[in-house]
Amino acid sequence: GQQVMQIPQYQHVQEGEDFTTYCNSSTTLSNIQWYKQRPGGHPVFLIQLVKSGEVKKQKRLTFQFGEAKKNSSLHITATQTTDVGTYFCAGRGGYQKVTFGTGTKLQVIP
Amino acid sequence: EAQVTQNPRYLITVTGKKLTVTCSQNMNHEYMSWYRQDPGLGLRQIYYSMNVEVTDKGDVPEGYKVSRKEKRNFPLILESPSPNQTSLYFCASSSGHIYEQYFGPGTRLTVT
Repeated sequence: GQQVMQIPQYQHVQEGEDFTTYCNSSTTLSNIQWYKQRPGGHPVFLIQLVKSGEVKKQKRLTFQFGEAKKNSSLHITATQTTDVGTYFCAGRGGYQKVTFGTGTKLQVIP
Repeated sequence: EAQVTQNPRYLITVTGKKLTVTCSQNMNHEYMSWYRQDPGLGLRQIYYSMNVEVTDKGDVPEGYKVSRKEKRNFPLILESPSPNQTSLYFCASSSGHIYEQYFGPGTRLTVT
């Protein structure tokens, strides 16, 4: 079945440093979504990428979808303490099932 | 307010005692899904539903049942819970399987 891996599993950064999490799928994806889960909270949708090579930005967050539509990344510039949480990618293959990545837990040190 | 609600939020039960976790959404969404979240494993899909009376297995359906008799409700049933089903469960809904999912607040289940 479809597998989606994320690296790193954990990341501690000093406030102001950049952060990147990578998502890799075993199969080609129709689309990929990114979610953020704050500690003790539920996942909240951030963005969806559909096209090969697509790049989208939300303020300090940059999302990329690979040319082969098998990988994606989320980059945060100049992290802030409000960025703390776990970031998940979620990929959809050719069917209705959605496979979430294992998540990257980000800790920002003030 | 658009939302997904789950009940109960916390539940401690014993092995073999049937339980139901309810999920309801007020956004008229067609697609609903159940996930379990375990440390290091991310969110794993248990079951999903494309519409009323249409359900299908996700990646980890063993030991679970679902039903979709009404569009707004998607209960998760554990007929005979076991300790390995101790987890954090999330219900989610979306207007279609290709769209963003809205998650409920979660249900923390402990099976002893």
